[in-house]
Amino acid sequence: TQLLEQSPQFLSIQEGENLTVYCNSSSVFSSLQWYRQEPGEGPVLLVTVVTGGEVKKLKRLTFQFGDARKDSSLHITAAQPGDTGLYLCAGPELNSNSGYALNFGKGTSLLVTP
Amino acid sequence: DAGITQSPRYKITETGRQVTLMCHQTWSHSYMFWYRQDLGHGLRLIYYSAAADITDKGEVPDGYVVSRSKTENFPLTLESATRSQTSVYFCASSVQGIGSPLHFGNGTRLTVT
Repeated sequence: TQLLEQSPQFLSIQEGENLTVYCNSSSVFSSLQWYRQEPGEGPVLLVTVVTGGEVKKLKRLTFQFGDARKDSSLHITAAQPGDTGLYLCAGPELNSNSGYALNFGKGTSLLVTP
Repeated sequence: DAGITQSPRYKITETGRQVTLMCHQTWSHSYMFWYRQDLGHGLRLIYYSAAADITDKGEVPDGYVVSRSKTENFPLTLESATRSQTSVYFCASSVQGIGSPLHFGNGTRLTVT
């Protein structure tokens, strides 16, 4: 299993602050996905990054895929309470028999207080 | 409405009992997955399936059995439940292979007493 390490594990900030969370691996990935999970619900996809060095923006969220495709970051500008949740990165792992599986990092739990 | 549905939403069972968690998707997605989510461990893959009648083990398959006789259903069975299987279980589906987003259900919270 290709490991994905996320940091920090927990983050508590005030509304309006900026933050960055990280997803790192020693393995090269063909793509990485970011999900957000709210309490009592399943994760929901935010973005998929595919090309090394790629930057994608989703409103106040900026995602970057490392040049070597081993790491990714998520930057949130002017965080809002609605950004509160568990942020998960995930990378595909190929299986010659059954296609692929998606492995997840343990996530960064973000709390944004008014 | 189209989507992925898990049932039951909550389940309490006793050690040693067999329990089946259901997962149904209406998109006809090829891939389906079962994950468990625990504090300190994150989401861990139990089993997955690339198509009907094709299943494969994930990271933590011991104590679980799956089947996929129809594309839309992917039940997960705990043959003899143990306390260590207390967890939140998520089913997910994906339209195709690598790089496709996973669509998750809202989970089943299972407590084994």
